[in-house]
Amino acid sequence: NAGVMQNPRHLVRRRGQEARLRCSPMKGHSHVYWYRQLPEEGLKFMVYLQKENIIDESGMPKERFSAEFPKEGPSILRIQQVVRGDSAAYFCASSPPGQGKPEAFFGQGTRLTVV
Amino acid sequence: QQQVKQSPQSLIVQKGGISIINCAYENTAFDYFPWYQQFPGKGPALLIAIRPDVSEKKEGRFTISFNKSAKQFSLHIMDSQPGDSATYFCAASALQMAGTASKLTFGTGTRLQVTL
Repeated sequence: NAGVMQNPRHLVRRRGQEARLRCSPMKGHSHVYWYRQLPEEGLKFMVYLQKENIIDESGMPKERFSAEFPKEGPSILRIQQVVRGDSAAYFCASSPPGQGKPEAFFGQGTRLTVV
Repeated sequence: QQQVKQSPQSLIVQKGGISIINCAYENTAFDYFPWYQQFPGKGPALLIAIRPDVSEKKEGRFTISFNKSAKQFSLHIMDSQPGDSATYFCAASALQMAGTASKLTFGTGTRLQVTL
């Protein structure tokens, strides 16, 4: 049972380009969360999705950021017109559906560098 | 009210010693408290977690102590080893109905170094 898979592991974008980060949850997991980690800081919640639904996007910047989790395929975090301040590690986590299963498991992250 | 405060920021412990990391929260709706371990360049790995209906949980060398009235919880690493050197994050969550996972609020992390 593979863990949470994120790709790419490293992504370099020039200012103004688009960044697409992908996350495949663990098998059987239907909940996906995206977090952002700045250097030497903790993780900050961005968005929580279930299949085809955004459940909580209270941590998402209002502009340039969007996320989806389609019925088929991985979850995508999209950052349009990237700026230097978007440089960070972006982590995806997944958790299973069902009662009494609160554990969230993280992927290895995508390290975005904006030059 | 959503913050989780973690201390110390860094910690140096000798091999065989006890490492203690503390966290405090304000939001009384939080009812799930996990600890994550993160090595450089890796994602956070779930270490141990506790619900507020118990005051202590132990798994191997790792113990969580939980004080509901004080809204504090701590991680104790017994017999600390050099391989434990990593950054540790506490977190808190208000679970959905039926105990399903929800978003996590993280502390700022503690960088632990275990020396020989």
